[in-house]
Amino acid sequence: GQNIDQPTEMTATEGAIVQINCTYQTSGFNGLFWYQQHAGEAPTFLSYNVLDGLEEKGRFSSFLSRSKGYSYLLLKELQMKDSASYLCAVRDSNYQLIWGAGTKLIIKP
Amino acid sequence: IAGITQAPTSQILAAGRRMTLRCTQDMRHNAMYWYRQDLGLGLRLIHYSNTAGTTGKGEVPDGYSVSRANTDDFPLTLASAVPSQTSVYFCASSLAGGGTDTQYFGPGTRLTVL
Repeated sequence: GQNIDQPTEMTATEGAIVQINCTYQTSGFNGLFWYQQHAGEAPTFLSYNVLDGLEEKGRFSSFLSRSKGYSYLLLKELQMKDSASYLCAVRDSNYQLIWGAGTKLIIKP
Repeated sequence: IAGITQAPTSQILAAGRRMTLRCTQDMRHNAMYWYRQDLGLGLRLIHYSNTAGTTGKGEVPDGYSVSRANTDDFPLTLASAVPSQTSVYFCASSLAGGGTDTQYFGPGTRLTVL
């Protein structure tokens, strides 16, 4: 079967750095996505990785290792507004997205 | 309008009733999707459409039907609602032009079936 694993919840301090991990086992791989979802709102796109390595976009970076079936999202200089759920999704061989259950990130002052 | 809209925002429905959730996008995206999101589970694909006139089944299609008569609209119908269909429903769209092909989401419909 297909599986995406992420930690259920993480806590971090304002101004700090946090790394959210995602491991996957899917039938085929055509890219990995990270989305942010604030409570009661729609998911919004953060990043996309299809090749191994690090993609940096402002305070957010995403890393991919296809051989290990592993990705992480790195958030720097955490702000209170970063409190949200972070969803990892993999596009499989049918070009459909398989979603993890999400990691709820709690930022404390 | 800009982006994707969904209606209604929320709905309480008696079991056995028929319900249509509406979704409209104005981005001229080719592909559209319906997901349900339940606590502790990832988004699950119900149905999708790669282009107007075509539809396909996702991971959890039973009890749901869709149509795609034109590019902009992609309604989801529950023919006879059951309590297990209580969920938050998100519609999404993407250009479907290869590459990143990012999915953009509507604001969601919170449905409660009693």
